[in-house]
Amino acid sequence: DTGVSQNPRHKITKRGQNVTFRCDPISEHNRLYWYRQTLGQGPEFLTYFQNEAQLEKSRLLSDRFSAERPKGSFSTLEIQRTEQGDSAMYLCASSGTVKGYTFGSGTRLTVV
Amino acid sequence: RKEVEQDPGPFNVPEGATVAFNCTYSNSASQSFFWYRQDCRKEPKLLMSVYSSGNEDGRFTAQLNRASQYISLLIRDSKLSDSATYLCVVPWMDSSYKLIFGSGTRLLVRP
Repeated sequence: DTGVSQNPRHKITKRGQNVTFRCDPISEHNRLYWYRQTLGQGPEFLTYFQNEAQLEKSRLLSDRFSAERPKGSFSTLEIQRTEQGDSAMYLCASSGTVKGYTFGSGTRLTVV
Repeated sequence: RKEVEQDPGPFNVPEGATVAFNCTYSNSASQSFFWYRQDCRKEPKLLMSVYSSGNEDGRFTAQLNRASQYISLLIRDSKLSDSATYLCVVPWMDSSYKLIFGSGTRLLVRP
Protein backbone atom coordinates (compact mmCIF):
# COMPACT_ATOMS: atom_id res chain seq x y z
CA ASP A 1 0.00 0.00 0.00
CA THR A 2 1.57 3.28 -1.10
CA GLY A 3 -1.04 5.61 0.37
CA VAL A 4 -0.95 7.75 3.50
CA SER A 5 -1.32 5.68 6.64
CA GLN A 6 -2.66 6.98 9.96
CA ASN A 7 -2.75 5.27 13.30
CA PRO A 8 -4.78 4.71 15.33
CA ARG A 9 -8.06 4.89 13.37
CA HIS A 10 -10.03 5.62 16.52
CA LYS A 11 -9.03 6.89 19.93
CA ILE A 12 -11.25 7.37 22.96
CA THR A 13 -9.60 9.14 25.85
CA LYS A 14 -10.58 10.74 29.11
CA ARG A 15 -10.40 14.49 29.45
CA GLY A 16 -6.99 15.58 30.67
CA GLN A 17 -5.09 12.66 29.15
CA ASN A 18 -2.40 13.02 26.49
CA VAL A 19 -2.78 11.39 23.08
CA THR A 20 -0.42 10.90 20.16
CA PHE A 21 -1.29 10.15 16.55
CA ARG A 22 1.02 8.94 13.84
CA CYS A 23 1.05 9.59 10.09
CA ASP A 24 3.17 7.79 7.51
CA PRO A 25 3.13 9.78 4.26
CA ILE A 26 3.79 8.71 0.71
CA SER A 27 7.55 8.31 0.63
CA GLU A 28 8.19 10.55 -2.41
CA HIS A 29 6.21 13.46 -0.93
CA ASN A 30 8.28 16.03 0.93
CA ARG A 31 5.29 17.93 2.32
CA LEU A 32 3.10 16.67 5.12
CA TYR A 33 -0.01 18.40 6.47
CA TRP A 34 -2.28 17.99 9.46
CA TYR A 35 -5.91 19.06 9.31
CA ARG A 36 -8.76 18.82 11.80
CA GLN A 37 -12.36 18.21 10.85
CA THR A 38 -15.37 18.56 13.13
CA LEU A 39 -18.88 17.38 12.36
CA GLY A 40 -20.55 19.35 9.59
CA GLN A 41 -17.43 21.31 8.74
CA GLY A 42 -14.69 21.00 6.16
CA PRO A 43 -11.14 20.17 7.21
CA GLU A 44 -9.21 23.04 8.80
CA PHE A 45 -5.47 23.45 8.40
CA LEU A 46 -3.37 22.89 11.52
CA THR A 47 0.26 22.69 10.46
CA TYR A 48 2.60 21.52 7.73
CA PHE A 49 6.13 20.26 7.24
CA GLN A 50 8.48 20.43 4.33
CA ASN A 51 10.85 17.55 4.95
CA GLU A 52 11.64 17.76 8.70
CA ALA A 53 11.00 21.51 9.03
CA GLN A 54 7.70 22.67 10.47
CA LEU A 55 7.02 25.71 8.33
CA GLU A 56 3.66 26.94 9.53
CA LYS A 57 1.23 26.51 12.42
CA SER A 58 -2.36 27.66 12.43
CA ARG A 59 -3.70 29.72 15.31
CA LEU A 60 -5.99 26.72 15.89
CA LEU A 61 -2.92 24.88 17.15
CA SER A 62 -2.85 25.86 20.81
CA ASP A 63 0.18 25.26 23.01
CA ARG A 64 -1.32 21.90 24.01
CA PHE A 65 -0.68 20.66 20.49
CA SER A 66 2.73 19.70 19.15
CA ALA A 67 3.73 18.07 15.91
CA GLU A 68 7.02 16.58 14.82
CA ARG A 69 8.44 15.02 11.73
CA PRO A 70 11.82 13.58 12.65
CA LYS A 71 14.10 12.90 9.68
CA GLY A 72 11.40 14.05 7.29
CA SER A 73 9.62 10.72 7.30
CA PHE A 74 6.61 9.93 9.51
CA SER A 75 4.96 12.59 11.64
CA THR A 76 3.34 12.60 15.07
CA LEU A 77 0.70 14.92 16.45
CA GLU A 78 0.43 15.07 20.23
CA ILE A 79 -2.36 16.68 22.21
CA GLN A 80 -1.68 17.26 25.88
CA ARG A 81 -4.36 17.64 28.54
CA THR A 82 -7.15 16.82 26.10
CA GLU A 83 -10.42 18.74 26.28
CA GLN A 84 -13.86 17.77 24.98
CA GLY A 85 -13.49 20.41 22.28
CA ASP A 86 -10.56 18.44 20.86
CA SER A 87 -12.96 15.71 19.72
CA ALA A 88 -12.65 15.64 15.93
CA MET A 89 -11.23 13.75 12.99
CA TYR A 90 -7.52 14.47 12.56
CA LEU A 91 -6.46 14.09 8.95
CA CYS A 92 -2.94 13.82 7.65
CA ALA A 93 -2.07 14.47 4.01
CA SER A 94 1.10 14.40 2.00
CA SER A 95 1.84 16.24 -1.20
CA GLY A 96 4.40 16.85 -3.84
CA THR A 97 2.24 19.50 -5.57
CA VAL A 98 -0.91 21.44 -4.73
CA LYS A 99 -2.90 19.05 -6.90
CA GLY A 100 -1.14 15.97 -5.64
CA TYR A 101 -2.67 15.84 -2.18
CA THR A 102 -3.34 12.40 -0.71
CA PHE A 103 -5.20 12.19 2.57
CA GLY A 104 -4.95 9.41 5.07
CA SER A 105 -8.07 7.79 6.50
CA GLY A 106 -7.82 9.95 9.59
CA THR A 107 -7.80 9.38 13.33
CA ARG A 108 -11.13 9.95 15.00
CA LEU A 109 -10.62 11.29 18.53
CA THR A 110 -13.36 11.21 21.15
CA VAL A 111 -12.66 12.92 24.47
CA VAL A 112 -15.04 11.83 27.23
CA ARG B 1 -17.10 36.63 5.52
CA LYS B 2 -15.78 33.06 5.34
CA GLU B 3 -13.02 32.46 2.81
CA VAL B 4 -14.97 29.66 1.11
CA GLU B 5 -18.74 29.36 1.48
CA GLN B 6 -21.09 26.60 0.42
CA ASP B 7 -24.76 25.80 0.91
CA PRO B 8 -24.70 22.87 3.37
CA GLY B 9 -27.79 21.22 1.83
CA PRO B 10 -28.76 18.46 1.95
CA PHE B 11 -29.79 18.24 -1.67
CA ASN B 12 -32.17 15.31 -1.95
CA VAL B 13 -32.66 14.29 -5.59
CA PRO B 14 -33.98 11.25 -7.47
CA GLU B 15 -31.71 9.04 -9.51
CA GLY B 16 -31.16 10.50 -12.97
CA ALA B 17 -31.62 14.09 -11.87
CA THR B 18 -29.25 16.95 -12.61
CA VAL B 19 -28.03 18.84 -9.58
CA ALA B 20 -25.77 21.86 -9.19
CA PHE B 21 -23.83 23.21 -6.25
CA ASN B 22 -22.32 26.66 -5.90
CA CYS B 23 -19.38 27.86 -3.90
CA THR B 24 -18.19 31.43 -3.33
CA TYR B 25 -14.67 32.46 -2.41
CA SER B 26 -13.38 35.69 -0.94
CA ASN B 27 -9.85 36.03 -2.35
CA SER B 28 -10.15 37.54 -5.81
CA ALA B 29 -6.50 36.64 -6.49
CA SER B 30 -7.12 32.88 -6.25
CA GLN B 31 -6.11 31.11 -9.43
CA SER B 32 -7.00 27.46 -8.97
CA PHE B 33 -9.81 25.60 -7.33
CA PHE B 34 -10.84 22.06 -6.56
CA TRP B 35 -13.88 19.98 -5.82
CA TYR B 36 -13.31 17.14 -3.35
CA ARG B 37 -15.71 14.35 -2.55
CA GLN B 38 -16.02 12.99 0.99
CA ASP B 39 -18.01 9.90 1.89
CA CYS B 40 -19.35 9.52 5.42
CA ARG B 41 -16.51 9.00 7.91
CA LYS B 42 -13.94 8.78 5.12
CA GLU B 43 -11.16 11.05 3.95
CA PRO B 44 -11.67 13.70 1.24
CA LYS B 45 -10.68 12.69 -2.28
CA LEU B 46 -10.03 14.93 -5.25
CA LEU B 47 -12.94 14.93 -7.68
CA MET B 48 -12.01 17.70 -10.10
CA SER B 49 -9.67 20.60 -10.60
CA VAL B 50 -11.09 23.87 -11.91
CA TYR B 51 -8.80 26.04 -13.98
CA SER B 52 -9.55 29.08 -16.11
CA SER B 53 -13.09 28.74 -17.44
CA GLY B 54 -13.95 25.27 -16.26
CA ASN B 55 -13.55 21.54 -16.61
CA GLU B 56 -15.67 18.55 -17.62
CA ASP B 57 -15.22 14.91 -16.68
CA GLY B 58 -17.99 12.57 -17.74
CA ARG B 59 -21.16 13.46 -15.84
CA PHE B 60 -19.38 16.14 -13.84
CA THR B 61 -18.83 19.73 -14.98
CA ALA B 62 -17.09 22.39 -12.92
CA GLN B 63 -17.25 26.05 -13.89
CA LEU B 64 -15.56 29.18 -12.64
CA ASN B 65 -16.97 32.68 -12.67
CA ARG B 66 -14.13 35.00 -11.68
CA ALA B 67 -16.16 38.18 -11.87
CA SER B 68 -18.64 36.90 -9.29
CA GLN B 69 -16.06 34.78 -7.45
CA TYR B 70 -17.98 31.56 -7.52
CA ILE B 71 -17.39 28.01 -8.64
CA SER B 72 -20.10 25.56 -9.54
CA LEU B 73 -20.29 21.79 -9.80
CA LEU B 74 -22.92 20.20 -12.03
CA ILE B 75 -23.74 16.51 -11.79
CA ARG B 76 -25.84 15.07 -14.59
CA ASP B 77 -27.73 11.75 -14.50
CA SER B 78 -27.21 11.34 -10.73
CA LYS B 79 -26.39 7.88 -9.46
CA LEU B 80 -27.02 6.45 -6.00
CA SER B 81 -23.24 6.25 -5.63
CA ASP B 82 -22.97 10.03 -6.01
CA SER B 83 -24.41 10.42 -2.49
CA ALA B 84 -21.64 12.13 -0.54
CA THR B 85 -20.48 15.52 0.70
CA TYR B 86 -18.88 17.75 -1.91
CA LEU B 87 -16.21 20.11 -0.64
CA CYS B 88 -15.18 23.27 -2.44
CA VAL B 89 -11.47 23.90 -1.97
CA VAL B 90 -9.25 26.90 -2.64
CA PRO B 91 -5.46 26.67 -2.25
CA TRP B 92 -3.83 29.34 -0.12
CA MET B 93 -2.06 31.99 -2.18
CA ASP B 94 1.49 31.17 -1.12
CA SER B 95 4.00 28.37 -1.59
CA SER B 96 2.61 26.24 1.23
CA TYR B 97 0.02 24.38 -0.91
CA LYS B 98 -2.28 24.38 2.11
CA LEU B 99 -5.96 24.12 1.27
CA ILE B 100 -8.96 26.11 2.48
CA PHE B 101 -12.09 23.98 2.54
CA GLY B 102 -15.69 25.01 2.46
CA SER B 103 -18.01 23.32 4.92
CA GLY B 104 -19.33 21.03 2.20
CA THR B 105 -22.63 20.38 0.46
CA ARG B 106 -24.35 17.10 1.21
CA LEU B 107 -25.99 15.26 -1.66
CA LEU B 108 -28.47 12.42 -1.20
CA VAL B 109 -29.55 10.57 -4.33
CA ARG B 110 -32.66 8.45 -3.78
CA PRO B 111 -33.88 5.50 -5.87
